[in-house]
Amino acid sequence: DGGITQSPKYLFRKEGQNVTLSCEQNLNHDAMYWYRQDPGQGLRLIYYSQIVNDFQKGDIAEGYSVSREKKESFPLTVTSAQKNPTAFYLCASSIMVQETQYFGPGTRLLVL
Amino acid sequence: GESVGLHLPTLSVQEGDNSIINCAYSNSASDYFIWYKQESGKGPQFIIDIRSNMDKRQGQRVTVLLNKTVKHLSLQIAATQPGDSAVYFCAEKNDYKLSFGAGTTVTVRA
Repeated sequence: DGGITQSPKYLFRKEGQNVTLSCEQNLNHDAMYWYRQDPGQGLRLIYYSQIVNDFQKGDIAEGYSVSREKKESFPLTVTSAQKNPTAFYLCASSIMVQETQYFGPGTRLLVL
Repeated sequence: GESVGLHLPTLSVQEGDNSIINCAYSNSASDYFIWYKQESGKGPQFIIDIRSNMDKRQGQRVTVLLNKTVKHLSLQIAATQPGDSAVYFCAEKNDYKLSFGAGTTVTVRA
């Protein structure tokens, strides 16, 4: 998993609750990304960040929020506005936004 | 719009045989392609990449071929082993964005 950690491995969300997924990297990468993976499907981009204090929406940003206050960290909050949050969430990073992305081990989010 | 797709959702291969996994893409402006391997419950693992100015690239037991004329990408795995059982994704990169296909599940038979 190349220096990218995600926690927790499993996360349970109650109706109407916001939850935050952690992503940390020690690779000194500038760019970080969040993807969502549903069963039998490829990955879809939620948000990405090219550099500290900057982030951009991906293809499916609605119901999610992020922050990039530190180079090493890119937490993702799944808000109550996300009506179908059950999925496998993957964080990735790359040296720069144009370079190869390396993935963390993922967090599986389940709704109670 | 752009799309990345794999020809077959599943592939069963005998241990020791060679595997070929295919992928078609539609965005002729894409300049970089990556193959990832994903084992159950884990994040995708980088296997090999190729830029659009190349036709072939070899790694350890793996070869990626790129045919820009027909927008086709393939991953060849030599002497397939049980540890190669996983879902394989091709990804197409255009600027910052990676577009993934749905994946091919490779099962290695003993």
